[in-house]
Amino acid sequence: AQSVTQLGSHVSVSEGALVLLRCNYSSSVPPYLFWYVQYPNQGLQLLLKYTSAATLVKGINGFEAEFKKSETSFHLTKPSAHMSDAAEYFCAVSQHNYGQNFVFGPGTRLSVLP
Amino acid sequence: DAEITQSPRHKITETGRQVTLACHQTWNHNNMFWYRQDLGHGLRLIHYSYGVQDTNKGEVSDGYSVSRSNTEDLPLTLESAASSQTSVYFCASSESGGGSYEQYFGPGTRLTVT
Repeated sequence: AQSVTQLGSHVSVSEGALVLLRCNYSSSVPPYLFWYVQYPNQGLQLLLKYTSAATLVKGINGFEAEFKKSETSFHLTKPSAHMSDAAEYFCAVSQHNYGQNFVFGPGTRLSVLP
Repeated sequence: DAEITQSPRHKITETGRQVTLACHQTWNHNNMFWYRQDLGHGLRLIHYSYGVQDTNKGEVSDGYSVSRSNTEDLPLTLESAASSQTSVYFCASSESGGGSYEQYFGPGTRLTVT
């Protein structure tokens, strides 16, 4: 069975500081991995995805994530936080032989301090 | 532009009433999903469909049902609403083909059961 953990339900950073949001997964076969962002009172929007091509994936709004098989991790980073990055971030995993369903992590709320 | 819409956006109902939440997508996707979002739980899968006349139970399907009579729509019915079903509900859709395709989300329906 697949599962996703996100360390830290709430992360605060100062504007201009590095953003690091952690995601670890468990999967018995090579996974597909996704990061979504949710702004208040909105649906989820795809930031980036890993589908077994390059292990360093670049997404929208300056975010990127690196797939590390040995650590079963897919952490999300951004070099310099902006006030507009304040939102909820969700990591999700799916597998080729698990149908086409996702398993989502519990989410991390990012606050950006001026 | 293709999109996925949900209606109503907000709904207040009484315990024991039947409620139907609508989901309509113009992506022409075969896969459609219903999730509920609750604080601390992330998104949990209620029901999903991989095509017309196909429906499947997800992680938290008790008290919910869906039907798929065409590609565009997957209505979610709460047979007899309970206070535990107060939540934000999201519909999503994706292309079919092995789990590597992202899911596109609707804006959500906030349901309150009193």
